[in-house]
Amino acid sequence: DQQVKQNSPSLSVQEGRISILNCDYTNSMFDYFLWYKKYPAEGPTFLISISSIKDKNEDGRFTVFLNKSAKHLSLHIVPSQPGDSAVYFCAASLLRGTASKLTFGTGTRLQVTL
Amino acid sequence: KAGVTQTPRYLIKTRGQQVTLSCSPISGHRSVSWYQQTPGQGLQFLFEYFSETQRNKGNFPGRFSGRQFSNSRSEMNVSTLELGDSALYLCASSFTGTSRLSYEQYFGPGTRLTVT
Repeated sequence: DQQVKQNSPSLSVQEGRISILNCDYTNSMFDYFLWYKKYPAEGPTFLISISSIKDKNEDGRFTVFLNKSAKHLSLHIVPSQPGDSAVYFCAASLLRGTASKLTFGTGTRLQVTL
Repeated sequence: KAGVTQTPRYLIKTRGQQVTLSCSPISGHRSVSWYQQTPGQGLQFLFEYFSETQRNKGNFPGRFSGRQFSNSRSEMNVSTLELGDSALYLCASSFTGTSRLSYEQYFGPGTRLTVT
């Protein structure tokens, strides 16, 4: 059972425009959400996160929105740059005591074109 | 501060063999998690170690095992390799505590295992 889903395997956006990556989850117990970026032959790099008690978190060009009632989160990148071309994974977490386990989506490949 | 390191970076094995992968976490991080990445499957959680004890486990067969040493370094072992075990194996470390930092895991570059 895929508890975290990224239904768009790929997305192409022009440089300077907004990129919107979407993620849906099924487990209402998840209390923290993260986005990771991955380049080929490298491990995922932490990008931005949001607690379930918030609905928005912003860090520079990156903003994550959380809609708990819809069990949906999105990552907005504005403006998109060619260096943003990578695979983006959303992840959800449950913190129990000090133990955290990340459940990942299958990823969305973002290509930013000139 | 040095990042998460994994050795070896690439490995080719044949079916039936066993393999051991190594991971050194970020200094001060005591939790180490292992993930398997295959095309179309995303990252799937294998297990997590903290203070030399496995405290979380994913849905993988018993051929996949791990351990953690007192210096927080971790190893993962796969016995009786199958063709389907070909994947990128990623190790991630995290700070442990009750703050939001516990959620953020930092990944190494991975070990690319090919089983022939």
